[in-house]
Amino acid sequence: ETGVTQSPTHLIKTRGQQVTLRCSSQSGHNTVSWYQQALGQGPQFIFQYYREEENGRGNFPPRFSGLQFPNYSSELNVNALELDDSALYLCASSLAEDRGTGELFFGEGSRLTVL
Amino acid sequence: GQSLEQPSEVTAVEGAIVQINCTYQTSGFYGLSWYQQHDGGAPTFLSYNGLDGLEETGRFSSFLSRSDSYGYLLLQELQMKDSASYFCAVSTNTDKLIFGTGTRLQVFP
Repeated sequence: ETGVTQSPTHLIKTRGQQVTLRCSSQSGHNTVSWYQQALGQGPQFIFQYYREEENGRGNFPPRFSGLQFPNYSSELNVNALELDDSALYLCASSLAEDRGTGELFFGEGSRLTVL
Repeated sequence: GQSLEQPSEVTAVEGAIVQINCTYQTSGFYGLSWYQQHDGGAPTFLSYNGLDGLEETGRFSSFLSRSDSYGYLLLQELQMKDSASYFCAVSTNTDKLIFGTGTRLQVFP
């Protein structure tokens, strides 16, 4: 177990709705990344936050947004949900000082279904 | 563009050795990581190669050849619990990980 916790674990929304997913980082970690994992695929990088600032973004539209709080917990918000947003959303924490080790600590994810 | 290729599925029997290959094409390459993910679980870190050569961690070893843009994960003395999906992932200079599509390993008794 990594110490990264995510909530909710499962949720169902309808097209056009908005969703907020939450992540609590492993103690001492100051960097959080969010990934989207479609069924049968590898995780796709959405964005990363370091010290409450966005620090890199993948190929996702602006309706995907995030926040990092002073305690390093984080939120992922998705507006105007589309059917293709159905996926497992993974949060991963790390320590910026360990950058370059390739090691991220993932939570078990929030599985979003959009109907 | 950036891409990683790995076999979609590999099968083996308990006690055997299996090698999962990964070829990549990316800019800003820093290193290659390997992650294991059981169904319904979180990806968990297995190993990282920043330099060419072999890294060994217990029953698992990982290899990298930067000149060939190629790496592999070697799993020895396979156990039933090793049945999972395995992902190679490239670390870039932007500190994000780019994951492959995963290799599903099935271990049979």
